[in-house]
Amino acid sequence: GAVVSQHPSWVICKSGTSVKIECRSLDFQATTMFWYRQFPKQSLMLMATSNEGSKATYEQGVEKDKFLINHASLTLSTLTVTSAHPEDSSFYICSASDETGPHRTQYFGPGTRLTVL
Amino acid sequence: AQTVTQSQPEMSVQEAETVTLSCTYDTSESDYYLFWYKQPPSRQMILVIRQEAYKQQNATENRFSVNFQKAAKSFSLKISDSQLGDAAMYFCAYRSANTGNQFYFGTGTSLTVIP
Repeated sequence: GAVVSQHPSWVICKSGTSVKIECRSLDFQATTMFWYRQFPKQSLMLMATSNEGSKATYEQGVEKDKFLINHASLTLSTLTVTSAHPEDSSFYICSASDETGPHRTQYFGPGTRLTVL
Repeated sequence: AQTVTQSQPEMSVQEAETVTLSCTYDTSESDYYLFWYKQPPSRQMILVIRQEAYKQQNATENRFSVNFQKAAKSFSLKISDSQLGDAAMYFCAYRSANTGNQFYFGTGTSLTVIP
């Protein structure tokens, strides 16, 4: 099956710093990638849809200046958490949509655990 | 927006037995896809099974099968011959076939497999 990677897998940073998380589709081209946030024992909350070559579409309540998304190529999307604060600590998951297949399945990365001190 | 409901926050099953996880959804669309994803402690989301709404036949993948009732908007997952490795969070998800690529996830069911 398709593989999606995320880097880093975990990161600890100081409050006020910015953190960049990369999401790569390794064996298919993804015109669309998605960023989710997951709190402990809760479901995935869609933050934004990342479209290659255009601006991301953010879900209601998600600050686009706080969570910067760049989809520079068909295999890479990045999420930058700017001026991170402890309440930004969470598990961030990306997914990539394989539009070439008949089922339009989303393949998920392994996630990035962000801890802001 | 579509809503997906999983009414069982936690379920348990004896090893080798069968368990059914429930999922209902609300939509006005006629063409869509439904999925079950598994999230083990590693947190990696793994696709378990998918169903196209236009297909009447229930999807099956080895020990995993679904009971898709389109009129009732129900999409349950049956796990047969449960194994210890099946222990995980299970999420039901909906995706429109026409409008966008977004997945709408249920709140999840935590499955425990008892040896």
